[in-house]
Amino acid sequence: QSVLTQPPSVSGAPGQRIIISCAWTNSYTGPDSAVQWYQQLPGKAPRLIISDNNIRRSGVPDRFSGSKSGASASLTITGLQPEDEADYFCQSYDNRPVFFFGTGTKVTVL
Amino acid sequence: VQLQESGPGLDKSSQTLFLSCTVSGGSINSDFHYWNWIRHHPGKGLEWIGNIYFLGSTNYNPSLKSRVSISLDESKNQFSLRLRTVTAADTAMYYCAREAVPTFPRAFDIWGHGRMVTVSS
Repeated sequence: QSVLTQPPSVSGAPGQRIIISCAWTNSYTGPDSAVQWYQQLPGKAPRLIISDNNIRRSGVPDRFSGSKSGASASLTITGLQPEDEADYFCQSYDNRPVFFFGTGTKVTVL
Repeated sequence: VQLQESGPGLDKSSQTLFLSCTVSGGSINSDFHYWNWIRHHPGKGLEWIGNIYFLGSTNYNPSLKSRVSISLDESKNQFSLRLRTVTAADTAMYYCAREAVPTFPRAFDIWGHGRMVTVSS
């Protein structure tokens, strides 16, 4: 069972802004826990792009940004590029800690 | 630092999955890192399996805790996953990954390439 829910797919034209949501479905998970975001290109391992809700990892283009408010988080891509077509996963944890991943969102560049 | 999964995968006679992860470019004996196993079911999401610290302490996903064990071999700079009594539901891509506590706490900053394990029903 996943405690982090994402939309299955999001699409946009090049240059557009898209937002991927990530919402807790179980308060036990801990809405105070930070959220990470991963990008998974086809046939590749996931890559950490955003940590601690909104910290962009070195080398990640600044068109990627993260935010968190209460029991939900979001990843925004401002100025969508063809190379951004990938699956995106959010991730968080509880106080044990047990780690949880979101259901995943496929981003399609039209 | 790089991680690489290896190993026989599935031992059908014992229905046990066994994989190892070799750490290169750094030591597994680190105060600052936890070493994790994560799997990705085909067409589904990612699932955290568990982790180990260099002193040997482990932490497992409660949903798998009765079947899983993670161990560490300092001499080989490796950590390993053993999953018992596997079924088709354990078919997945298995990744090893690092948590770097000082820089990316509670996140996985380095991943292996992954190893696909298929369990026939």
